[in-house]
Amino acid sequence: GAGVSQSPSNKVTEKGKDVELRCDPISGHTALYWYRQSLGQGLEFLIYFQGNSAPDKSGLPSDRFSAERTGGSVSTLTIQRTQQEDSAVYLCASSLEGAGEAFFGQGTRLTVV
Amino acid sequence: RKEVEQDPGPFNVPEGATVAFNCTYSNSASQSFFWYRQDCRKEPKLLMSVYSSGNEDGRFTAQLNRASQYISLLIRDSKLSDSATYLCVVNPFGDQFYFGTGTSLTVIP
Repeated sequence: GAGVSQSPSNKVTEKGKDVELRCDPISGHTALYWYRQSLGQGLEFLIYFQGNSAPDKSGLPSDRFSAERTGGSVSTLTIQRTQQEDSAVYLCASSLEGAGEAFFGQGTRLTVV
Repeated sequence: RKEVEQDPGPFNVPEGATVAFNCTYSNSASQSFFWYRQDCRKEPKLLMSVYSSGNEDGRFTAQLNRASQYISLLIRDSKLSDSATYLCVVNPFGDQFYFGTGTSLTVIP
């Protein structure tokens, strides 16, 4: 596609359930980023991929969070045993080899009830 | 210390006013700098890159001060449509983007 695509756009889940968020970066972009944004707050860095490798996982808030990227393209962010404080918009971005502009998807709005 | 720091505002200015935002960055070796704009409940989008020599795009001017490690964004002749959150972004090593918390701007009729 022309831009970064994220799915689902909205997700409501019950506390304790696992969720999987998907990001399709722009074709040819080797760098991929996940951020989280709570209502009225700034962007919180979660994880960064260069190709299929994640040099920096320091932003993952707990061991309930994991992410992978396959084929240097699609990435999934998995949250296990969701908690209410996980409710936020999860944004994915991609860029050419980590340089130049980062392009964002429209985000996945996660609500844990 | 945070990689990027911004004054969160809010800035409330009348139409036609000139407004300036600053942000500071911690890594003196940083090479790439950007301003992004984020509208309410939307994803961030690039407003402009910031070059060492400074750059201008219509009513918007971005400048970089390496000695003091800050970047600035100047908006002239503010429009209602300029109301948004402006994010300062630094990419120190050409790999990861660090975002400031954003500065909120409301342009008042």
